[in-house]
Amino acid sequence: QSALTQPASVSGSPGQSITISCTGSNSDVGGYNYVSWYQQYPGKAPKLIIYDVSNRPSGVSNRFSGSKSGNTASLTISGLQAEDEADYYCNSYTSSNTRVFGGGTKLTVL
Amino acid sequence: EVRLLESGGGLVQPGGSLRLSCAASGFTFTNYAMGWVRQAPGKGLEWVSQISSSAGNTDYADSVKGRFTISRDNSKNTLFLQMNSLRAEDAATYYCAKSLSSDISDFGYWGQGTLVTVSS
Repeated sequence: QSALTQPASVSGSPGQSITISCTGSNSDVGGYNYVSWYQQYPGKAPKLIIYDVSNRPSGVSNRFSGSKSGNTASLTISGLQAEDEADYYCNSYTSSNTRVFGGGTKLTVL
Repeated sequence: EVRLLESGGGLVQPGGSLRLSCAASGFTFTNYAMGWVRQAPGKGLEWVSQISSSAGNTDYADSVKGRFTISRDNSKNTLFLQMNSLRAEDAATYYCAKSLSSDISDFGYWGQGTLVTVSS
């Protein structure tokens, strides 16, 4: 159960769009449409923002979108806002009937 | 309003045991799978275990398999995590989380976490 690979950090200016990648294998990301993304502020519990690759839970801004190509999933945040500065984690179902998180990406809004 | 309240964390010696509890309210507990996710200080999230709504299906991360046991009491709306043979690397904040469905799936709601410290 190796962690999925995410960039340690990304940054962008307000109003811009950024994309965070999440790379796995055929046994997880590439094998199933069960990729999700979580947002976490320091000292707070994570919040689900994308599930099943591209679905948004009720109440999540449509500035957040998800996609997948092969073994890599992506989270795109458009119209970047200061409040988007947080840590982001991807998660995938695996062939072992378990789930695995990515290492996390720290988003900085410049 | 969905509420998940973890308890049972604390300081334990290596090799010791702890039992975490998660009291759930604000939703029909018996309709949803539940799980545990942990986060070591300054580190990322690690999926630990999940249990289906009926408790018929359970899954564990390799790092805890054989040492941790997840269970639930649907009559008391409570989720448990029995942790045995604890190691230094098990030290973390443990979050209780509610799945999106009755089957093991993504976590739509999270508790605030309970801290487990493993040290002699």
